[in-house]
Parts: sequence; structure tokens; C-alpha cells
Amino acid sequence: DTAVSQTPKYLVTQMGNDKSIKCEQNLGHDTMYWYKQDSKKFLKIMFSYNNKELIINETVPNRFSPKSPDKAHLNLHINSLELGDSAVYFCASSQALGAGGETQYFGPGTRLLVL
Amino acid sequence: SQKIEQNSEALNIQEGKTATLTCNYTNYSPAYLQWYRQDPGRGPVFLLLIRENEKEKRKERLKVTFDTTLKQSLFHITASQPADSATYLCALVMDSNYQLIWGAGTKLIIKP
Repeated sequence: DTAVSQTPKYLVTQMGNDKSIKCEQNLGHDTMYWYKQDSKKFLKIMFSYNNKELIINETVPNRFSPKSPDKAHLNLHINSLELGDSAVYFCASSQALGAGGETQYFGPGTRLLVL
Repeated sequence: SQKIEQNSEALNIQEGKTATLTCNYTNYSPAYLQWYRQDPGRGPVFLLLIRENEKEKRKERLKVTFDTTLKQSLFHITASQPADSATYLCALVMDSNYQLIWGAGTKLIIKP
């Protein structure tokens, strides 16, 4: 059973298009995250949701909009895709936010290439 | 400015030896530090967590140290094996918002 799953695994699209990436976790965790990993391999937090509520919203263009229909799902919609959006996007979850040190469980990543 | 630094060059180690990876940080006061392993084409996988008041943590062949004075964590793999080859990421956990701040990772290559 996959703990954190993402679809699609690969996404190749044209500049200006709108696309969505889906994430689901079956771990019963309260907190979910979206990360962007660029070509230099830095993992940068984009959003964090705790019990369907937005907790962390880093400086991300408002073309990126997360949606959490329930605790087990956190989707990422991207409008008007740009070349610089090309990266690997990881979804992750943790049991809870708070008490510090919560280990995070990552999905396999979605490789987005904008042409 | 705030920085997390891991050795950007790949670390080549002979099988059976101990591999030591470094994570240095400046202008952060983390409550915790975590180490993850990332294989090509996959998401990071949690390995170990160490708290600011702990000096050392062990798990099987893995050992992590945390020196808050030096602002440094060392990650050791003893009796290294080719299967240990991967990129290893350190992440600081801030007590203020529990956010993880990630290093860029060090690529470890264990040669048979």
C-alpha cells in the first residue's frame, strides 16, 4: 500500500496552460505539504495544510493554488504555467503539526516540464 | 543571512569504511534536526531525528551528532555498503512554526 501517492508522475505541458497535481495519503495524518525541488536539489516548502486549513503559505506566485477537500487529500493547481515552474513537486504528510520534530512522509514526486 | 550547508560535491567512500556527512547552519536556532535519504527519482525518506538537547543518536549502522555550539550535525554510516549510495539531506526544524528548512543534500557513492 502506497502511503503518499501523487498523480501524475510526469507532466509535460506548454507555457500558459493550467494543470493540477493530486496527492493522497492513507496514513491518517493531519498535516500535508507541497514542496518544490529545483534543479539544484533544494527542497522548498510551498504550502502546508493542517486538518484542511492552510497553515504555511510561503512566497509563492498566486498562480499556485492548493486545495484540500479532506484531510487525506491536498491538490495543487497551477495557472498560466511558466518555464520557471519546471521542477519536481513533492507532496508530503506528517502526523501532526506542532510538538516539533514531526517526521515527514513523501510522495514519489511529479516531474513537471514546461515547454 | 541564514544558511544550511551540506557538501555539494559527491562523497566517494570505499565499501566497509565509515562515511561521514556534514550539515552546517548559520543564523538558525533549530529545535530539532532530521536526516533523510533520497534516491534518484524518489521522494526523501526519513532516517533519524535528533533534538537540540541530545548530543548523539544511533540507529543500526547510522549515527547522528548535533553540536548546537558549532551549529553542526554529523551523519555517520559505519560499515558502508553500495546500497547506501544515495543523496542525504539534513533538515532543521524551527520551534516557532515547525517548518523544515532543508539543505541541498550530499551525494554519497559507496564503491565496492
